[in-house]
Amino acid sequence: NAGVMQNPRHLVRRRGQEARLRCSPMKGHSHVYWYRQLPEEGLKFMVYLQKENIIDESGMPKERFSAEFPKEGPSILRIQQVVRGDSAAYFCASSPPPIGFEQFFGPGTRLTVL
Amino acid sequence: KNEVEQSPQNLTAQEGEFITINCSYSVGISALHWLQQHPGGGIVSLFMLSSGKKKHGRLIATINIQEKHSSLHITASHPRDSAVYICAVRRETSGSRLTFGEGTQLTVNP
Repeated sequence: NAGVMQNPRHLVRRRGQEARLRCSPMKGHSHVYWYRQLPEEGLKFMVYLQKENIIDESGMPKERFSAEFPKEGPSILRIQQVVRGDSAAYFCASSPPPIGFEQFFGPGTRLTVL
Repeated sequence: KNEVEQSPQNLTAQEGEFITINCSYSVGISALHWLQQHPGGGIVSLFMLSSGKKKHGRLIATINIQEKHSSLHITASHPRDSAVYICAVRRETSGSRLTFGEGTQLTVNP
């Protein structure tokens, strides 16, 4: 059973471009969480999704950021018009239903904005 | 003040020493997690606990719900234990989202 997969592992974008980060949860997991780790800072919650539903997006910046978890395929975190302050490590975690189970983390995507 | 506080921030030990990392939190929780982040950046879940004590190999995690405190112990530490150890809580009122401490950087010297 493969673990949580994220791609790309490293992503370089110029200011103003779009970044698309993908997360494939572990088999059987229908809950996905996105977390961000800014340089020299701790992890911060961004968004919690279940298949086709955003459950909690209270940690998402109000503009430029969006997330989805379609019925088929990976969860996508999309950042439009990236700025240097978006440079960070973005981690995805998944857990099986119901709520309350342990979360398993992916290897992360390191986004660098030039 | 952060809802989750860890101490110490940095810890250096000699191989073989017994290590304790502490985590205090100020909110009601449904579970507490201990995570390990290696220099390469990947995060591994070590424990999830809501009461008592758990043990896995040389790692032991305890939690005292009344005192809102948890400890992670490493027995017979080894240089490969060098990593950042992160405490995270799942708040009673926030569903599944995790709130993280700032992490403890552990370095174990041979």
